[in-house]
Amino acid sequence: GENVEQHPSTLSVQEGDSAVIKCTYSDSASNYFPWYKQELGKRPQLIIDIRSNVGEKKDQRIAVTLNKTAKHFSLHITETQPEDSAVYFCAANSGNTPLVFGKGTRLSVIA
Amino acid sequence: DAGVTQSPTHLIKTRGQQVTLRCSPKSGHDTVSWYQQALGQGPQFIFQYYEEEERQRGNFPDRFSGHQFPNYSSELNVNALLLGDSALYLCASSWGPGNTEAFFGQGTRLTVV
Repeated sequence: GENVEQHPSTLSVQEGDSAVIKCTYSDSASNYFPWYKQELGKRPQLIIDIRSNVGEKKDQRIAVTLNKTAKHFSLHITETQPEDSAVYFCAANSGNTPLVFGKGTRLSVIA
Repeated sequence: DAGVTQSPTHLIKTRGQQVTLRCSPKSGHDTVSWYQQALGQGPQFIFQYYEEEERQRGNFPDRFSGHQFPNYSSELNVNALLLGDSALYLCASSWGPGNTEAFFGQGTRLTVV
């Protein structure tokens, strides 16, 4: 089955700097890659997703890149703000398989 | 338009007891997936229900069972509770069982003492 590895587990950046979180997946059949943000005590919320027919997707300060050959995808947050502090999870799945999540990255944005 | 709702929000049970958690999917969604999230970990897939049947199951023992009703709502049942079952239980709904956008409920925090 699918296995998703996520790095780093913790990340601290200064406000205004960029943050990058990386994930690798094992199942070459995976074709959907969402990213979720989970604030303390709250539900995971989808912030951006990408499908295997594109290599990059942007939404304001957030972007995701996908390298199908290397089987890895990354989340990029530019101009970080204190409200970006949260735990971020990557996930992957294919067809009718369930989402498999990484273990999460705790991002701290220092003002 | 209500999102995914789960009940109860918090629950304390004793080892050996049984528990039932409930989930109502987002309007228009017909598929419900359940996840267990231990502290500091990512969500782990338990099972998925579509058309009132369990379609997929993760690596969880038979103590974990579920049900989906005709209105697409779902229940998660856990029997013979263990201390290790303490976790946040998340329900996610989607339109169809495939790789579509999944919306999570706020979760049920289960504590087994």
